Amino acid sequence: GDSVTQMEGPVTLSEEAFLTINCTYTATGYPSLFWYVQYPGEGLQLLLKATKADDKGSNKGFEATYRKETTSFHLEKGSVQVSDSAVYFCALSESGGGSNYKLTFGKGTLLTVNP
Amino acid sequence: SQTIHQWPATLVQPVGSPLSLECTVEGTSNPNLYWYRQAAGRGLQLLFYSVGIGQISSEVPQNLSASRPQDRQFILSSKKLLLSDSGFYLCAWSVPASGANVLTFGAGSRLTVL
Repeated sequence: GDSVTQMEGPVTLSEEAFLTINCTYTATGYPSLFWYVQYPGEGLQLLLKATKADDKGSNKGFEATYRKETTSFHLEKGSVQVSDSAVYFCALSESGGGSNYKLTFGKGTLLTVNP
Repeated sequence: SQTIHQWPATLVQPVGSPLSLECTVEGTSNPNLYWYRQAAGRGLQLLFYSVGIGQISSEVPQNLSASRPQDRQFILSSKKLLLSDSGFYLCAWSVPASGANVLTFGAGSRLTVL
């Protein structure tokens, strides 16, 4: 079945540091890929997505590129802020057919940014 | 615009008591609806999803059940709670056949079973 593996963390960085959170996936077809963010005490919010190979999703300074050859979708940000402290989830959704109804999530990576 | 509401936000229940968590969606019709559970250190687990009224699919065997009595209402229930039912429960919706299947989540309901 489909699965998502992301670095478990926790990750602790200083403000303005470079961020990478690794994510790799296993899927039988051609999935869409997502990063969701969960701020303390809240539900999940979509951060960015990519629907096909070589697509780059971007939002709020975060970027991730859909790499089919390495089955990866690593999240990056050039300069993190304290307000980026949150849990980040990588996820995939298989395209087409009945499996289109579900997202499969990684376990989440806790990011703490210190001033 | 579409919004999703979950309640209660926080719940403390004794073992063996019943449970009812509600989720409603506004501003859309015939959404796909989902219940996820987030347990400490275990990430997000899909519990149930629904593609229409009365249509419920269960992903994992457990002590919980779900119902969809109306198009935009999704209820998570239990007759007798277990300690292991503690967690953060998230309702979500998506537009059917929207390609990328983007989920929009509610704010969550935190359940503590004592």
